[in-house]
Amino acid sequence: DTAVSQTPKYLVTQMGNDKSIKCEQNLGHDTMYWYKQDSKKFLKIMFSYNNKELIINETVPNRFSPKSPDKAHLNLHINSLELGDSAVYFCASSHARQGRLNYEQYFGPGTRLTVT
Amino acid sequence: RKEVEQDPGPFNVPEGATVAFNCTYSNSASQSFFWYRQDCRKEPKLLMSVYSSGNEDGRFTAQLNRASQYISLLIRDSKLSDSATYLCVVNALTADYKLSFGAGTTVTVRA
Repeated sequence: DTAVSQTPKYLVTQMGNDKSIKCEQNLGHDTMYWYKQDSKKFLKIMFSYNNKELIINETVPNRFSPKSPDKAHLNLHINSLELGDSAVYFCASSHARQGRLNYEQYFGPGTRLTVT
Repeated sequence: RKEVEQDPGPFNVPEGATVAFNCTYSNSASQSFFWYRQDCRKEPKLLMSVYSSGNEDGRFTAQLNRASQYISLLIRDSKLSDSATYLCVVNALTADYKLSFGAGTTVTVRA
């Protein structure tokens, strides 16, 4: 009964390839997120969806394309992978923000992407 | 100036000791504050939300100081299992009020 799950857990691929990461949550949340954590350990928001609508779209190369088929799923597709894309990608979910008040976010186990 | 700043540590403490550290934030209008812990090669996990009046959860106490714009975390009676990186999280003053994560404070509890 995992709350936020991601697949795959590890992804090793060559430069130029296209890959996808999938995320699912069973917490009944309506907001989901993609974060990137690089080697310096900073967690940076990439995208956020609320009820399948994109609400946060940070300055991310357009090789990264999120997709939310429903509010329990959020996928991330990456085209033409580059060495600099190597990082850990975390999915998270929460209840929707109420005004300035954010609710706690719950994270998936992460996908460790290595581009060679 | 970064939105959230933390002393990276590491804080090396013996079992049973008390350890405390702060996190400063730049957005005076922030409304949401959290402490997360992250173990090596694991996902961040919510430790506790931080409320205006301060709050306690077992051995952990969080305080918010709005005037000086910092939050603190105090761990009493440290256990070996408390060894982790503690992330300070605050919502940013942007139209989307996204959460900003500090780089983390590393705590190592030794036997």
